[in-house]
Amino acid sequence: QQQVKQSPQSLIVQKGGISIINCAYENTAFDYFPWYQQFPGKGPALLIAIRPDVSEKKEGRFTISFNKSAKQFSLHIMDSQPGDSATYFCAASKRPGGNLIFGKGTKLSVKP
Amino acid sequence: DVKVTQSSRYLVKRTGEKVFLECVQDMDHENMFWYRQDPGLGLRLIYFSYDVKMKEKGDIPEGYSVSREKKERFSLILESASTNQTSMYLCASSSRSDRGNGYTFGSGTRLTVV
Repeated sequence: QQQVKQSPQSLIVQKGGISIINCAYENTAFDYFPWYQQFPGKGPALLIAIRPDVSEKKEGRFTISFNKSAKQFSLHIMDSQPGDSATYFCAASKRPGGNLIFGKGTKLSVKP
Repeated sequence: DVKVTQSSRYLVKRTGEKVFLECVQDMDHENMFWYRQDPGLGLRLIYFSYDVKMKEKGDIPEGYSVSREKKERFSLILESASTNQTSMYLCASSSRSDRGNGYTFGSGTRLTVV
């Protein structure tokens, strides 16, 4: 049973465009929703995270939107740049620092 | 710079060998995790540990075991390596009192079993 479903599997965006990656979860006990960014040859690194008491969190060009009633959250990358090309994973856990359940990942390519 | 260090970037082992993957963190984190990463399957949790000498099975523990004798070190053991264990293995750590810093991952060990 996949507890965190992520889409799309791959995404191609032109430089300056908006990249949108969506995730849905099933377990209502989840209380922490991070996004990780992974470059080739590297381990994933925390990009941005949200708790369900807020509907949106923005850090620079990266925004998480959270819809608790729909059990969905999404990552928006504004003004996408070639340097944003990476694999992005959404995840969920019952608390920060606890076991993370990851989505299957989205490979983003930003074309110059 | 805080980090999680995995002892090998690349390993090639033969079927049936006992394989040890080592992970060391320097952040005094209580929690440590082992994931495997496969194309199209994302990251899947193998084992985790919330304290020294403590271990818990994750989603795919079959064929693996772990050891945590010291707080900073978490070892993954493949008792008898098989070709279906060819994968990228990622170690991560986190703080029990996490304030949103999340996991810190190592760079991974790409294991090939022939």
